[in-house]
Amino acid sequence: AQSVTQLDSHVSVSEGTPVLLRCNYSSSYSPSLFWYVQHPNKGLQLLLKYTSAATLVKGINGFEAEFKKSETSFHLTKPSAHMSDAAEYFCVVSDQTFSGGYNKLIFGAGTRLAVHP
Amino acid sequence: DGGITQSPKYLFRKEGQNVTLSCEQNLNHDAMYWYRQDPGQGLRLIYYSQIVNDFQKGDIAEGYSVSREKKESFPLTVTSAQKNPTAFYLCASSMLAGGRADTQYFGPGTRLTVL
Repeated sequence: AQSVTQLDSHVSVSEGTPVLLRCNYSSSYSPSLFWYVQHPNKGLQLLLKYTSAATLVKGINGFEAEFKKSETSFHLTKPSAHMSDAAEYFCVVSDQTFSGGYNKLIFGAGTRLAVHP
Repeated sequence: DGGITQSPKYLFRKEGQNVTLSCEQNLNHDAMYWYRQDPGQGLRLIYYSQIVNDFQKGDIAEGYSVSREKKESFPLTVTSAQKNPTAFYLCASSMLAGGRADTQYFGPGTRLTVL
């Protein structure tokens, strides 16, 4: 079975400093991986996705993530944090083994990012 | 604007009442999904539908029901059998590519509170 672990429940950074949100996954197959962001009382917005093309994936708002098969990781980074980046971030793996043509999404528990001045 | 709309944004229910949450999409997506989100947890799948007039149970379907009479609409009913319905409910949709679901896009959510 596939699973995803977000290694930090809370991350706090200063504005203008780098952001690193860590995600490890387990998968028996070549997975599809996603990062979503959720601002308070809002829906989830897709930041980026990996689908077996380039291992370095660029997303919106300056975020990027690198797929490392040997480490089973898909960490999310941003060179310089902005106040508007404060939100909850979810790492998600698509379960390719699910039958019936439906790729079930497995969600991590989330990482809450705080950005302070 | 293309997108997914959910209504209402906030919903209050008395114990023993059924309530229906609306989800509409104009993205021409084939598949639609309902998730439940509780504080400090990831999303859990309630129901999904890949085609009109067909839907499947997810991980936590007990106490919920759905219908899919139109491609663009996938309402969720929270019944009195759901023992702990207070949560944030998110609807999503996706295309089907080669028979498999593509990236899911989410609506803004409905926060349900039981009084």
